[in-house]
Amino acid sequence: DGGITQSPKYLFRKEGQNVTLSCEQNLNHDAMYWYRQDPGQGLRLIYYSQIVNDFQKGDIAEGYSVSREKKESFPLTVTSAQKNPTAFYLCASSLSGRWGYTFGSGTRLTVV
Amino acid sequence: AQKVTQAQTEISVVEKEDVTLDCVYETRDTTYYLFWYKQPPSGELVFLIRRNSFDEQNEISGRYSWNFQKSTSSFNFTITASQVVDSAVYFCALSSNQGAQKLVFGQGTRLTINP
Repeated sequence: DGGITQSPKYLFRKEGQNVTLSCEQNLNHDAMYWYRQDPGQGLRLIYYSQIVNDFQKGDIAEGYSVSREKKESFPLTVTSAQKNPTAFYLCASSLSGRWGYTFGSGTRLTVV
Repeated sequence: AQKVTQAQTEISVVEKEDVTLDCVYETRDTTYYLFWYKQPPSGELVFLIRRNSFDEQNEISGRYSWNFQKSTSSFNFTITASQVVDSAVYFCALSSNQGAQKLVFGQGTRLTINP
């Protein structure tokens, strides 16, 4: 079945470490997105990519980095520069915005 | 700029009551698309409905119904005879035909159905 796979589901990171969240889709979607969600809050866009080898900053890109070397994959790295990384991270993909997004199941990142 | 407002942060009702979640949007585009997503406690956002700006027909799907009114820029969602399994956070979203076609999300409404 087609869909988006995010891994791991839960991730613990020590302060000062970089960590990479995986997002893979087999929907043949061109566009992919990363969102951050804090408890009781809405979705905030971190980065998005509309085509391979190209990506743009969203509203809260500082402290994060991404790559888009393959159509299927859009990994997110949370760097040590991100001061408050504990959050729920959602990846999404779309054929185009007019059709909406398909979301992954999310990764819950906790800094210990 | 596009904007989606969900003024109800939290709603709590007793099971079997009807409940309406409000969504008001702003856009200058003539062609746009509206969505509702459900986020259960597991966290994944689940697509519920898509509506384009040229289709103002109301939609009913089982206990769910949607009322789209361009005159008031609203796309409200009603759950009839609510059930505990309807408890979730619900997001309204908007996209257009222009530019990056990103979805703009409202802040979400947390709906709690009490037994």
